[in-house]
Amino acid sequence: DAKTTQPNSMESNEEEPVHLPCNHSTISGTDYIHWYRQLPSQGPEYVIHGLTSNVNNRMASLAIAEDRKSSTLILHRATLRDAAVYYCILRSNFGNEKLTFGTGTRLTIIP
Amino acid sequence: GAGVSQSPSNKVTEKGKDVELRCDPISGHTALYWYRQRLGQGLEFLIYFQGNSAPDKSGLPSDRFSAERTGESVSTLTIQRTQQEDSAVYLCASSLLRGGNYNEQFFGPGTRLTVL
Repeated sequence: DAKTTQPNSMESNEEEPVHLPCNHSTISGTDYIHWYRQLPSQGPEYVIHGLTSNVNNRMASLAIAEDRKSSTLILHRATLRDAAVYYCILRSNFGNEKLTFGTGTRLTIIP
Repeated sequence: GAGVSQSPSNKVTEKGKDVELRCDPISGHTALYWYRQRLGQGLEFLIYFQGNSAPDKSGLPSDRFSAERTGESVSTLTIQRTQQEDSAVYLCASSLLRGGNYNEQFFGPGTRLTVL
């Protein structure tokens, strides 16, 4: 799977939007972009995924660049419960089912 | 409607001892994964089971590590002759493979292994 690059850490004020960037310049045409997050002392949980078009769900939005070499996870209104490590992961849709985690972005929410 | 469960939640063992870690996936999930997370690091893939297919063992770090799965239910990860570098949180995940590529993985809370 292609590699992703994320900032090590970010801070945001509570109740404000948060934009978490991810670079994946070597993404292939068959790679989906997945985001998971890991709250303190818990296993990771799925957030969102996409291929080419921007995606929205109840947790977040995913904005994908037109060339697909970068993407941004958007939390529209951060709460203290959103403090976690956020992982941007690429995975091919050709039967390679494992997730390859990097070090992610540690998001701190300031009350 | 329970999620993925793992036991024990914590395990402290002495160097050289064998340990068994258990994972109960979500009922009906055909795929099961084991990952390892060392302190302050991301998750490392260990092994993947999918139905009756041969497991993908490409992530197992040494022959001291092995895993089994009974049908589409419980899985056991065994570490023989534990070493201090085996200390980590071992996470299990399961997913229901569907058409296309949408197969969200559901993670358990992990087993924290400490090798003294």
